[in-house]
Amino acid sequence: GAVVSQHPSWVICKSGTSVKIECRSLDFQATTMFWYRQFPKQSLMLMATSNEGSKATYEQGVEKDKFLINHASLTLSTLTVTSAHPEDSSFYICSASRLAGPSYNEQFFGPGTRLTVL
Amino acid sequence: GQNIDQPTEMTATEGAIVQINCTYQTSGFNGLFWYQQHAGEAPTFLSYNVLDGLEEKGRFSSFLSRSKGYSYLLLKELQMKDSASYLCAVRGGSNDYKLSFGAGTTVTVRA
Repeated sequence: GAVVSQHPSWVICKSGTSVKIECRSLDFQATTMFWYRQFPKQSLMLMATSNEGSKATYEQGVEKDKFLINHASLTLSTLTVTSAHPEDSSFYICSASRLAGPSYNEQFFGPGTRLTVL
Repeated sequence: GQNIDQPTEMTATEGAIVQINCTYQTSGFNGLFWYQQHAGEAPTFLSYNVLDGLEEKGRFSSFLSRSKGYSYLLLKELQMKDSASYLCAVRGGSNDYKLSFGAGTTVTVRA
């Protein structure tokens, strides 16, 4: 149990376009989902914390108008990179926590989405 | 703020043991995690420590000393497939379950 999926796995887009990335918890309800960004040979940097039914909490330095997060249900959160530019090219990873039941301490990570902006 | 340090790279021979150290200075503490990450893939959970002491899980063990702000991950009987990046992550004292990650230690296992 505790499987998290992301879609798409990779995406290439033109500069100025918007890209939506989906994160789903397949077999559990995730009241909290986290979005990370990882540049090559660097660690994961938390971008925002997403709680179902409420606005996301963004980390310092992350533009909330550029990285739109929606967490409409207990199994789905989406990250939309608006007006993407080459510097937004990165590996985007989501994770989900279940705050009750087995392994409630863990964050379960999705497989990541490789975004390349040309 | 959160400050988590771990070595950048380590190299070891197949069958050997490697110890990856992690020191942290965080505002509050509510657990330390170790993750394995292969290139281009998402991190996978290895271990969780919240109390002082050693947690053993097969070939992998993790140790925590909260008073010293120190943890290590011990990899025994190294296999080629263990070549990966190992991430130390600390959960702070808030109730939001956020993790702060170290930069990762790249372990290369040689035959």
